[in-house]
Amino acid sequence: AQSVSQHNHHVILSEAASLELGCNYSYGGTVNLFWYVQYPGQHLQLLLKYFSGDPLVKGIKGFEAEFIKSKFSFNLRKPSVQWSDTAEYFCAVNGGGSYIPTFGRGTSLIVHP
Amino acid sequence: KAGVTQTPRYLIKTRGQQVTLSCSPISGHRSVSWYQQTPGQGLQFLFEYFSETQRNKGNFPGRFSGRQFSNSRSEMNVSTLELGDSALYLCASSPTGTGIPGELFFGEGSRLTVL
Repeated sequence: AQSVSQHNHHVILSEAASLELGCNYSYGGTVNLFWYVQYPGQHLQLLLKYFSGDPLVKGIKGFEAEFIKSKFSFNLRKPSVQWSDTAEYFCAVNGGGSYIPTFGRGTSLIVHP
Repeated sequence: KAGVTQTPRYLIKTRGQQVTLSCSPISGHRSVSWYQQTPGQGLQFLFEYFSETQRNKGNFPGRFSGRQFSNSRSEMNVSTLELGDSALYLCASSPTGTGIPGELFFGEGSRLTVL
């Protein structure tokens, strides 16, 4: 069974600080990787995804993530956060052709203006 | 294109009651999944329906059930409610067969409070 671990449950940053949220998964086969974001009062939406090709993927709002297969990791990064990035971030993984992703427990990010 | 629609958005029930939640997927999406979201537990997978058949099921007790209709709309039911069932219930649809496995489109959720 696949599992997803997000190391940081709560992160507090000031505007313009750099962000890196960790995500590790356990699954030995081919995987599809996702980061979803849930802004306060809004629905979960896709931030970025990786399924093949360049392991460095870029998403919306200046976010990017790097797939490192040898480390089973898919960390989310942003060089300079904004107050509007305050949200909950979920890493998700699915593999083996399954249409059902496994989600991490989420990381709550608060950005102070 | 309209998004995933969930009703009701908020509801309050008492222990022992039962509740039915509804989800209308994005037009053309045949897969509908349900998740329970609680603080600290993240998203827990309940079940997934495809073409009116339950294709995948998570580790929830039998009090949690669902179904899908021929128009892909889905409902989930929770019977004999317990306090621990208080949560945000999320529905997600997926363009199975044409999209990327695991890419989901979520509704805004139904927030259930059990008193």
